[in-house]
Amino acid sequence: EADIYQTPRYLVIGTGKKITLECSQTMGHDKMYWYQQDPGMELHLIHYSYGVNSTEKGDLSSESTVSRIRTEHFPLTLESARPSHTSQYLCASSAGVPTEAFFGQGTRLTVV
Amino acid sequence: KNQVEQSPQSLIILEGKNCTLQCNYTVSPFSNLRWYKQDTGRGPVSLTIMTFSENTKSNGRYTATLDADTKQSSLHITASQLSDSASYICVVSDRGSTLGRLYFGRGTQLTVWP
Repeated sequence: EADIYQTPRYLVIGTGKKITLECSQTMGHDKMYWYQQDPGMELHLIHYSYGVNSTEKGDLSSESTVSRIRTEHFPLTLESARPSHTSQYLCASSAGVPTEAFFGQGTRLTVV
Repeated sequence: KNQVEQSPQSLIILEGKNCTLQCNYTVSPFSNLRWYKQDTGRGPVSLTIMTFSENTKSNGRYTATLDADTKQSSLHITASQLSDSASYICVVSDRGSTLGRLYFGRGTQLTVWP
């Protein structure tokens, strides 16, 4: 089983609140990713990182931001949550090219 | 445009039966193809990974095939079990960038009934 962890697993929060979704991996992987997935739909890449202090936006435009201060940690922040942000957010990491991506359990976010 | 299409969208089978899921892709240049299993509310878990030169790969009751010429892959599940109920996602990676970009299909939702 992959050593990549996301917290919280479930989050229900009011509109306008600031939230941070945590993602940590203990495999020493350089590359980390954030995906957004709506029910029955494919995963969409919203952010990725090649390593410390490296972050890029993915294919799907997102109002969220990320940071990579440490190799093992890749948090995602929403400054002001809206109902349109309701979705599942999946974090993943990988090493080398090409290689397998290991996924966390996901965070199910509901903004009310 | 790089795309991954999966069929069927959903499938219901009886426990003990076999089934085959399909994946067609247009990703180029092709690097590798993975099949993932995603249980409801959880992250995807890799079942198999296949490179250009591999035609078939097995992982227990799961057997994946790849035809790189026609850009098609299949995942065959033998003697299905209730625990096989999940979404099966086909993921294709390109080798045109250092990221090794991953392209995801929408998945096939498999339900196994007793």
